[in-house]
Amino acid sequence: DAGVIQSPRHEVTEMGQEVTLRCKPISGHDYLFWYRQTMMRGLELLIYFNNNVPIDDSGMPEDRFSAKMPNASFSTLKIQPSEPRDSAVYFCASSPPSGRALYFGPGTRLTVL
Amino acid sequence: AQSVTQPDIHITVSEGASLELRCNYSYGATPYLFWYVQSPGQGLQLLLKYFSGDTLVQGIKGFEAEFKRSQSSFNLRKPSVHWSDAAEYFCAVGESGGYNKLIFGAGTRLAVHP
Repeated sequence: DAGVIQSPRHEVTEMGQEVTLRCKPISGHDYLFWYRQTMMRGLELLIYFNNNVPIDDSGMPEDRFSAKMPNASFSTLKIQPSEPRDSAVYFCASSPPSGRALYFGPGTRLTVL
Repeated sequence: AQSVTQPDIHITVSEGASLELRCNYSYGATPYLFWYVQSPGQGLQLLLKYFSGDTLVQGIKGFEAEFKRSQSSFNLRKPSVHWSDAAEYFCAVGESGGYNKLIFGAGTRLAVHP
């Protein structure tokens, strides 16, 4: 099993640009989570999906952030427009139907200049 | 609101020494509790979890944790640390008694001296 796959691993962009982060969950997992990790705020849950449907997006910081899951094997997190304070490591994680464990991807390190 | 506290930001131990990382949580009922490890530049890997039953939980890589309801604690232990254990360790609790939406502590960074 390849595990959770995220791309790109690193992204450097300028303020105001659109950023799209991608995630492929583990096959057969029906939960998908987007987390953000910063020094100041630690690990924060942004949004999670169950069977491709957004369940809880209360952690999405602003309207500039949006997430989609068009099918069971793909999800995107988009920031438009990006700001320097969005700089962080963004993790995608998935969980099987039995739940009880999150499997994290390697993360995308985003730097907004 | 639920929270997780990891009192130690940094801990340094010598290789071969024992280790205990502290975790305290706030939740009225019995929570789902987790320990994750993050190596530099990597994602988080699950070490162990507690849902119910035996309060001493065994995990991967020789780690164990003990749930103590009276102290609202879930401390992680290892009898003999290896240099490869140097990483950041996160305690987490399932929000509102669930296990999908996790609240993470701030983490404890472990350094291992040869």
